[in-house]
Amino acid sequence: GAVVSQHPSRVICKSGTSVKIECRSLDFQATTMFWYRQFPKQSLMLMATSNEGSKATYEQGVEKDKFLINHASLTLSTLTVTSAHPEDSSFYICSARDQTNTEAFFGQGTRLTVV
Amino acid sequence: GIQVEQSPPDLILQEGANSTLRCNFSDSVNNLQWFHQNPWGQLINLFYIPSGTKQNGRLSATTVATERYSLLYISSSQTTDSGVYFCAVMLTGTASKLTFGTGTRLQVTL
Repeated sequence: GAVVSQHPSRVICKSGTSVKIECRSLDFQATTMFWYRQFPKQSLMLMATSNEGSKATYEQGVEKDKFLINHASLTLSTLTVTSAHPEDSSFYICSARDQTNTEAFFGQGTRLTVV
Repeated sequence: GIQVEQSPPDLILQEGANSTLRCNFSDSVNNLQWFHQNPWGQLINLFYIPSGTKQNGRLSATTVATERYSLLYISSSQTTDSGVYFCAVMLTGTASKLTFGTGTRLQVTL
């Protein structure tokens, strides 16, 4: 299957700082990528759809200015958590579809802890 | 929005036992996938199964789209099967977004 790589896998940052998470499709081009958030013992919730060369589409209730998404190339999307606060601590995971645009594959996820 | 419910929410099995996990969804879908989330959080693709039946080793899955449910069968369970199992669906006409189910947490004991 297609490979999606996410980095870093774990990050600890201080309140008020910003953190950037990268999501790469290693063996295919992805015009669309997706960012999810998962709280402990809960399901994955879609945050936004990242579109190459255009603005991201955010789900209702997700703050655009807090979670900046950039999809500058066909293999890379980034999520920047700005002015992080402890309540932003969570597991963030990205996804992209393969070349046939059917099956979705996921990165390894990033565990963010804001102290 | 679409509702995706999984049952049971929690399941404890002895090694070697069989189990059936269910995924019910409230609207028409054109994509359904099953995932296993391991203890490190990685989502492992199990099946892409918008309809019909597929088998892969000890695992098999069946989706009956007209009746809006899918089943995941695990046979001869092993401790490495432990983790959370999610189904995820793509609603027809929703620009490729996957909506995840509530999950089934499986623990396989010796």
